[in-house]
Amino acid sequence: EDKVVQSPLSLVVHEGDTVTLNCSYEVTNFRSLLWYKQEKKAPTFLFMLTSSGIEKKSGRLSSILDKKELSSILNITATQTGDSAIYLCAVEVLFGFGNEKLTFGTGTRLTIIP
Amino acid sequence: EPEVTQTPSHQVTQMGQEVILRCVPISNHLYFYWYRQILGQKVEFLVSFYNNEISEKSEIFDDQFSVERPDGSNFTLKIRSTKLEDSAMYFCASSEAGGLAGMETQYFGPGTRLLVL
Repeated sequence: EDKVVQSPLSLVVHEGDTVTLNCSYEVTNFRSLLWYKQEKKAPTFLFMLTSSGIEKKSGRLSSILDKKELSSILNITATQTGDSAIYLCAVEVLFGFGNEKLTFGTGTRLTIIP
Repeated sequence: EPEVTQTPSHQVTQMGQEVILRCVPISNHLYFYWYRQILGQKVEFLVSFYNNEISEKSEIFDDQFSVERPDGSNFTLKIRSTKLEDSAMYFCASSEAGGLAGMETQYFGPGTRLLVL
């Protein structure tokens, strides 16, 4: 059974701090790893990582995939209250021809205190 | 920016009733998905759909569930006889292509919160 584990489950930091969220996975037919931010409702896409060691960056957020260690980290620097959300890690697996599905971790609930 | 839309945003129903959740995927997308998230739990894959047929379904997606693309724009999830444990947020997602066609991300709709009483 495909498994995605995120840690920590919950994190509370002060505005301006830097945080690192972890994701590890155990799946068959790995294709990519995705990070999503979930605020009130639907997950919104942040990053897709397919190659090991390449950092994807968007503003204060960055992420790296380590395919050898089957893990990824999501870094957020200079956190702001608007970063408060649940951060979901999902692994895309392939099955059949051209078919894919996402397996999600339970998420890390990040709370930024002003 | 194109987005996935879902209706209704909230639905309350009695146990045993049928519900239909509706989704309008992004217009040039070809692959469609349903996920659900029970309150406080992780997002779970239900089913994927391509070329008017189910590509993959999870063990959650039993005979009580069905999906349909009744026209060129809508994608629906039907639950025939709802149970209390079907209460969850249901997300629709779509992607432009599938795994082998390129690096395509799944984009999620805002969700429908279903409450079964």
